[in-house]
Amino acid sequence: EVQLVESGGGLVQPGGSLRLSCAASGFTFTTNSMTWVRQAPGKGLECVANVNQAGSAKYYVDSAKGRFTISRDNAKTSLYLQMNSLTADDTAVYYCARGWGANWGQGTLVTVSS
Amino acid sequence: DVVMTQSPLSLPVTLGQPASISCRSSQSLVNSDGNTYLNWFQQRPGQSPRRLINNVSNRESGVPDRFSGSGSGTDFTLKISRVEAEDVGIYYCMQTTHWPWTFGQGTQVEIK
Repeated sequence: EVQLVESGGGLVQPGGSLRLSCAASGFTFTTNSMTWVRQAPGKGLECVANVNQAGSAKYYVDSAKGRFTISRDNAKTSLYLQMNSLTADDTAVYYCARGWGANWGQGTLVTVSS
Repeated sequence: DVVMTQSPLSLPVTLGQPASISCRSSQSLVNSDGNTYLNWFQQRPGQSPRRLINNVSNRESGVPDRFSGSGSGTDFTLKISRVEAEDVGIYYCMQTTHWPWTFGQGTQVEIK
């Protein structure tokens, strides 16, 4: 059974940083690209970043460029999202997804507020 | 960015009746490899999204066959042949042909 378990969310002040993690199991991690998708409260879905199987190619939505860094550790079958310079607009549930959405985690809530 | 436009945004349906959701993209979703990367997701209340359909019409494992996807180029449709109570939720189309991958606004399906 595919499992994606996100962690690392929480309350952070504007301008602060947070590192999200996603522990993956139940599938061959090294053969799948991985994606972070977020959903602001009561809003729709937005792809934030994607990383290829080897971790050598990374893609970001414009609002994340220069502030967020996606990475993966294939030995640990884990995905990460380092988020810096956070603003209120980054408040959302952040989901880890396999590929382009084949499987999703339960999400972790990030709240940016003073 | 590719803009995905869904209609309607709200869809009240009688149990057992069909439902149809339209999704239009601002540019063609045909990839250079010849595939069309248009997906449909269901998000039930309080749950994570779940992919129902990939590549326009391929139903995911475990998805009831009352769900079907069709379309080409820039116009796509998700159909539910007979709506059941468990189908209540928000449905999103998503294109993964062009980065950034983008979603439609979502269509709220509810029971009349």
